[in-house]
Amino acid sequence: KQEVTQIPAALSVPEGENLVLNCSFTDSAIYNLQWFRQDPGKGLTSLLLIQSSQREQTSGRLNASLDKSSGRSTLYIAASQPGDSATYLCAALVGDSSYKLIFGSGTRLLVRP
Amino acid sequence: ETGVTQSPTHLIKTRGQQVTLRCSSQSGHNTVSWYQQALGQGPQFIFQYYREEENGRGNFPPRFSGLQFPNYSSELNVNALELDDSALYLCASSLTKGGGYTFGSGTRLTVV
Repeated sequence: KQEVTQIPAALSVPEGENLVLNCSFTDSAIYNLQWFRQDPGKGLTSLLLIQSSQREQTSGRLNASLDKSSGRSTLYIAASQPGDSATYLCAALVGDSSYKLIFGSGTRLLVRP
Repeated sequence: ETGVTQSPTHLIKTRGQQVTLRCSSQSGHNTVSWYQQALGQGPQFIFQYYREEENGRGNFPPRFSGLQFPNYSSELNVNALELDDSALYLCASSLTKGGGYTFGSGTRLTVV
């Protein structure tokens, strides 16, 4: 059974810091891994999608890596800003004839001005 | 692309009642999934529809049911509401079964 864990559960950093959010999964048989951002009471905004054959994806100040063999993914945020404050969720896509996302519980990020 | 839209945004129901939540997927997205997110937790998979047929289900009882229509819209129906059904319900669509998913803003359901 696939389980996804995110560490840390919460993080508070001063503006301008570079930071790393961690995501681990127990079964390497994933199709892709997706990082999402969620603002309080809102839906999920997709940040980065890494296919199982890829090692990393970049978008602006965000970089996500994937290591299937070790069951790990990291989201790197460069030069953090107060507007980055949100909950970040990683999700592994698993399945055979049907697919589903298995989510971690998220990392709540606060970037202090 | 118009994104994924959900309605209503908020809903309050009484225990035992029935509720229907609606989702309009992106045009061309044949796959739609529904997730339940309790406060402080990650979303949990309810079920998935592909070309109007259910083709995957999570650990939810049969009183959770759904429909997908040819116009890329879908519904989540919950019968005999329980207090624990209070959550944010998210709809997500994908162009392919194994591709990336786009989520809607969700429906906040409160059962009293």
